[in-house]
Amino acid sequence: KAGVTQTPRYLIKTRGQQVTLSCSPISGHRSVSWYQQTPGQGLQFLFEYFSETQRNKGNFPGRFSGRQFSNSRSEMNVSTLELGDSALYLCASRLGDRDGYTFGSGTRLTVV
Amino acid sequence: GQQLNQSPQSMFIQEGEDVSMNCTSSSIFNTWLWYKQDPGEGPVLLIALYKAGELTSNGRLTAQFGITRKDSFLNISASIPSDVGIYFCAGRTQGAQKLVFGQGTRLTINP
Repeated sequence: KAGVTQTPRYLIKTRGQQVTLSCSPISGHRSVSWYQQTPGQGLQFLFEYFSETQRNKGNFPGRFSGRQFSNSRSEMNVSTLELGDSALYLCASRLGDRDGYTFGSGTRLTVV
Repeated sequence: GQQLNQSPQSMFIQEGEDVSMNCTSSSIFNTWLWYKQDPGEGPVLLIALYKAGELTSNGRLTAQFGITRKDSFLNISASIPSDVGIYFCAGRTQGAQKLVFGQGTRLTINP
């Protein structure tokens, strides 16, 4: 079955712009999480959604937001982009609370 | 943010050698996961551990959930070139919906 699909794979934006990233989880997975990966900070948790509800949020400013749709697909949005937002944004889905997370290939965001 | 202490940060070994890496935390975890990440890709789950003392194998990989619940170990036996990559440990506390990741161990293999 298809894995976690993230689009787009690469994105270049200018400071001050906003961006929307998309994630389609594995079919049947209702839990979707987002992580930011940078060389300096490593993998940092952004938020998790389950059945269209945000269950947990990481320590990121309010410029980072997300949502989940009824088909479990998720989007995350970053407004007023800063240079430091350049990172690999990873989406992960899982079947249940005891299961491991399956990650997508990520969206590489570059802010110039 | 909170991170696990993963060591070593990098390893340079000869093909065929065994590899060991570990993660420690000041917090108690009820789940430990080990991932491998190749350049330009997302992390791929290697082994999941759910019980203190649990020892689980996946081919040449073996991982253990420490008895104190504050550490985990990953061993790779008889390394091959495709083992090259960055290995991450990740932990989850009881009831939490997020993973805390280690800083990664970069494995390089000389043929």
